[in-house]
Amino acid sequence: DVVLTQTPVSLSVTLGDQASISCRSSQSLEYSDGYTYLEWYLQKPGQSPQLLIYGVSNRFSGVPDRFIGSGSGTDFTLKISRVEPEDLGVYYCFQATHDPYTFGAGTKLELK
Amino acid sequence: EVQLVESGGGLVQPGRSLKLSCAASGFTFSNYGMHWIRQAPTKGLEWVASISPSGGSTYYRDSVKGRFTISRDNAKSTLYLQMDSLRSEDTATYYCATDLGDAWGQGASVTVSS
Repeated sequence: DVVLTQTPVSLSVTLGDQASISCRSSQSLEYSDGYTYLEWYLQKPGQSPQLLIYGVSNRFSGVPDRFIGSGSGTDFTLKISRVEPEDLGVYYCFQATHDPYTFGAGTKLELK
Repeated sequence: EVQLVESGGGLVQPGRSLKLSCAASGFTFSNYGMHWIRQAPTKGLEWVASISPSGGSTYYRDSVKGRFTISRDNAKSTLYLQMDSLRSEDTATYYCATDLGDAWGQGASVTVSS
């Protein structure tokens, strides 16, 4: 199975700071069709996960441009510039390139 | 408005069965593959199973193969998860989601305990 290693496990930030989360895969996530099925989700306390980024770097509708996804192959990053209160929660990367699909263990973004 | 609403969760004894439903509205259900994803108490997300738009292809994580069955009724815009031979480690909140990840339900709680 593909293992997604997210770092850090938790991230303490001051509002307005930049935050960066890494997601490293045990195998390349580029599918045979050339697409990379790597997504980022945010789960706020008490809520269902919500899609932020799909296909490595495409922001889902309504997601602020403060969220930037990047990477290729096995190394991916989610950057959040100017963290706002509504950005707090747990971030997960997810791969749907290889069966079984897998999530990273999560990164908790909290206030310092 | 796109909406996914799970139902059918509850408390069940080990070895028994439970069937979850996920009613979809606000989009053309038959055009989308669907996932079931679960989250054990205080843990992270875990993909469980997926089904193609027509229902002709299904995929499962190893730990539920042979025990869980994902299915769909496109005429009713409803996704199902039949869970048999339940174990304590299946205790979780179960979410249905579109294969694009752009819509999730609110979750159905399943507790397997004697």
